[in-house]
Amino acid sequence: DIQMTQSPSSLSASVGDRVTITCRASQSIRNYLNWYQQKPGKAPKVLIFGASTLQSGVPSRFSGSGSGTAFTLTISSLQPEDFATYYCQQSYTTTRTFGQGTKVEFK
Amino acid sequence: EVQLVESGGGLVQRGGSLRLSCAASGFTFSNYWMSWVRQAPGTGLEWVANIRQDGSEKYYVDSVKGRFTISRDNAKNSLSLQMNSLRAEDTAVYYCAREAIYGGYVDFWGRGTLVTVSS
Repeated sequence: DIQMTQSPSSLSASVGDRVTITCRASQSIRNYLNWYQQKPGKAPKVLIFGASTLQSGVPSRFSGSGSGTAFTLTISSLQPEDFATYYCQQSYTTTRTFGQGTKVEFK
Repeated sequence: EVQLVESGGGLVQRGGSLRLSCAASGFTFSNYWMSWVRQAPGTGLEWVANIRQDGSEKYYVDSVKGRFTISRDNAKNSLSLQMNSLRAEDTAVYYCAREAIYGGYVDFWGRGTLVTVSS
């Protein structure tokens, strides 16, 4: 199975900061990489699919890049509603896998 | 409006069984792969299983193979997860999830149902 590794596991940031989260796959997944945001007690929601395509309704401050085995999620200017946990997921194989998550906390 | 509503969660003893159901509405259920994703308390997301539109293909995470069975009834717009030989580590919120037609990502999630396995 493909393993997904996110870094960092957590980070502290302030409103207005630029935040970057990295996700690495154990083998090439081309661009079948998706990013989700989850807030406490809520189901996740997709932010970006296909490595770089913004889901409808998601603010443009979120962006994704990468292909093969290395990917990044960038929040260009962190907003109060962005404090949450972020997960990457590969959908290259029918047995999907998630990264372990990155918690973005208030500094 | 797309809706996915899970039911069937609860408290069960180790070694016991439980069947989760997911009622889908607001979309053509038979057009989509469907998945179950779980989240143990205080931990991250874990993909559990998925099933092809017509039920002909099913895939599982290694930790549940041979114990869990995913199924669907397209006539009733329903997804199920039969869970047998439950272990303490199966304790989690179980989400029913719809996979997008292209790309395999989850575009809609249910609210989840809690399964607690007591030892």
